[in-house]
Amino acid sequence: DIQMTQSPSSLSASVGDRVTITCRASQDISRSLAWFQQRPGKAPKSLVYAASILQSGVPPKFSGSGSGTIFTLTISSLQPEDFATYYCQHYKNYPLTFGGGTKVEIK
Amino acid sequence: EVQVVESGGGLVQPGGSLRLSCAASGFIFSDHYMDWVRQAPGKGLEWVGRMRNKANGYSREYAASVKGRFTISGDDSNNSLYLEMNSLKTEDTAVYYCVRVTDYSMDVWGKGTTVTVSS
Repeated sequence: DIQMTQSPSSLSASVGDRVTITCRASQDISRSLAWFQQRPGKAPKSLVYAASILQSGVPPKFSGSGSGTIFTLTISSLQPEDFATYYCQHYKNYPLTFGGGTKVEIK
Repeated sequence: EVQVVESGGGLVQPGGSLRLSCAASGFIFSDHYMDWVRQAPGKGLEWVGRMRNKANGYSREYAASVKGRFTISGDDSNNSLYLEMNSLKTEDTAVYYCVRVTDYSMDVWGKGTTVTVSS
């Protein structure tokens, strides 16, 4: 199975900050990677697929990059609605697996 | 509007069974792969299983933790996905999400339905 490791597991940031979350795959997954946002008490929301393509309706303050084993999600200029937990997930093969999540909290 | 809506969650005893449903609307159900994903209380996301689309024979894949106990099925006559869960364990307690898949990636999530396995 492919293991997905996110770092950091949590971070504190201020409104207006730029933040970057890293996701590492235990083997080459090419660009078969997605990112999701989950606000407290809510269902996950899809943000990015194919490592860097924004889902429809997702604002361009979100950007994804990477290929192979290292990927990043960057949020430029954090807003109050961006404070949430973010998950990466590979879909290179089965079983599909998620990273452990990165909780973005208000400083 | 594209949406998926889960139902059927509840309280069940260990060893019991439960069937979850997912009603899809706003898109052609038979064109898409569909997933079930769960989240135990206070934990992260766990993929449960996938049903491929009609063109791929509605074949299925499962996580090792549920294989042999859970079965995914679909009915494109009423645009519905199902998750039949048998031999339930306390560790199956979670919110279960139905998710549409496009280009192999999950794109539309339901609000989830809660399953509690407890005596």
